[in-house]
Amino acid sequence: KAGVTQTPRYLIKTRGQQVTLSCSPISGHRSVSWYQQTPGQGLQFLFEYFSETQRNKGNFPGRFSGRQFSNSRSEMNVSTLELGDSALYLCASSSDRSGVNTEAFFGQGTRLTVV
Amino acid sequence: AQKITQTQPGMFVQEKEAVTLDCTYDTSDPSYGLFWYKQPSSGEMIFLIYQGSYDQQNATEGRYSLNFQKARKSANLVISASQLGDSAMYFCAMRAQGAQKLVFGQGTRLTINP
Repeated sequence: KAGVTQTPRYLIKTRGQQVTLSCSPISGHRSVSWYQQTPGQGLQFLFEYFSETQRNKGNFPGRFSGRQFSNSRSEMNVSTLELGDSALYLCASSSDRSGVNTEAFFGQGTRLTVV
Repeated sequence: AQKITQTQPGMFVQEKEAVTLDCTYDTSDPSYGLFWYKQPSSGEMIFLIYQGSYDQQNATEGRYSLNFQKARKSANLVISASQLGDSAMYFCAMRAQGAQKLVFGQGTRLTINP
């Protein structure tokens, strides 16, 4: 069974540009969550999508957006990039059970550097 | 609001020794789950072990066990017989009932010395 796949693994962008990151969840998983990891703020929840609908959203500005397709693949977009957006972006997929013990499987992340 | 606190920024342990990584949490939800993840330098978060708030027994997964003390709101990870490959960042996380969102602690960097 294939794991969570995130592409690309590394990105370098210039301030003001926009970027799109992709996440393919484990087959059969319909929930995809995104997290931002920085040395200063640690791991922070961005948003979660389930069956093409955003179910939860973290405390990030509107420049951060996402979507999910009918095959459960998800993309997140960051517009008007700032230096502070440099981070490791992690995607996690889960089964559609909403219990507390639903394990989240993570991808290897996309490391975004904004220069 | 939920909060996870990991008070050990870094730990150094000799190979084959046991190690305990501390985690305390705060939540007003009656039902919640506690997770530990390992993050090697490659970046991927690897699930290690889970404990539910209503579980009576401590969770165990191979060399990993979770010392769950509900009254003290602590969920410490114990790694027995540490190996060089255990060197990594370790994160404690919590999820509330009905939510996919995981709340993470700041992590502990574990270094295993030969």
